[in-house]
Amino acid sequence: DIQMTQSPSSLSASVGDRVTITCRASQGISIYLAWYQQRPGEVPKLLIYGAATLQSGVPSRFSGSGSGTDFTLTISSLQPEDVATYYCQKYNRAPLAFGQGTKVEIK
Amino acid sequence: QITLKESGPTLVKPTQTLTLTCTSSGFSLSTSGVGVGWIRQPPGKALEWLGVIYWDDDKFYSPSLKSRLTITKDTSNNQVVLTMTNMDPVDTATYYCAYRLPWVGMVFDPWGQGILVTVSS
Repeated sequence: DIQMTQSPSSLSASVGDRVTITCRASQGISIYLAWYQQRPGEVPKLLIYGAATLQSGVPSRFSGSGSGTDFTLTISSLQPEDVATYYCQKYNRAPLAFGQGTKVEIK
Repeated sequence: QITLKESGPTLVKPTQTLTLTCTSSGFSLSTSGVGVGWIRQPPGKALEWLGVIYWDDDKFYSPSLKSRLTITKDTSNNQVVLTMTNMDPVDTATYYCAYRLPWVGMVFDPWGQGILVTVSS
């Protein structure tokens, strides 16, 4: 089965900073990669699918890129409401798999 | 507006069978392309995919849990039921059901509020 590895596991950045999270698949998955945001105490929310397609209603400061095995989620200007854990998920075929999560905090 | 809500026991004993129901609105389980997935999250840990059921009754399960899982649907009540046998304390988690975006792939949005299930004697 394909494994998903995120880095870093956590990060601390200042408001307004550019933040980048990486997700690596153990085998190629084309662009079948999604990103979710889970704020503290809340339900996961879909941000991006197809590696780079922004889900409706998601702020444009979020962007995704990559294909094959290496993907990135970028927050162009970190906001206080972006404090959350971010998960990547591969979905090229079953079984699905999530990364272990990246916790983003404000410095 | 699509909504989903999980219901069921919040405490089960080891070896018991867990049955959770996902009641949804805003879509029909009989509509082509529709799917509902189950995902769980142990306290403080990452998300784990359990399985998914589609409008045509096609199903996929996590290989590591396949022998213990059954997902069924009740189209008339717009409900999806997850059954997990032989529960163990390591199965303590918040269990979510989620709507699969039609024709996008196994990507889920929105999710239900989740139900915390504790396995303890």
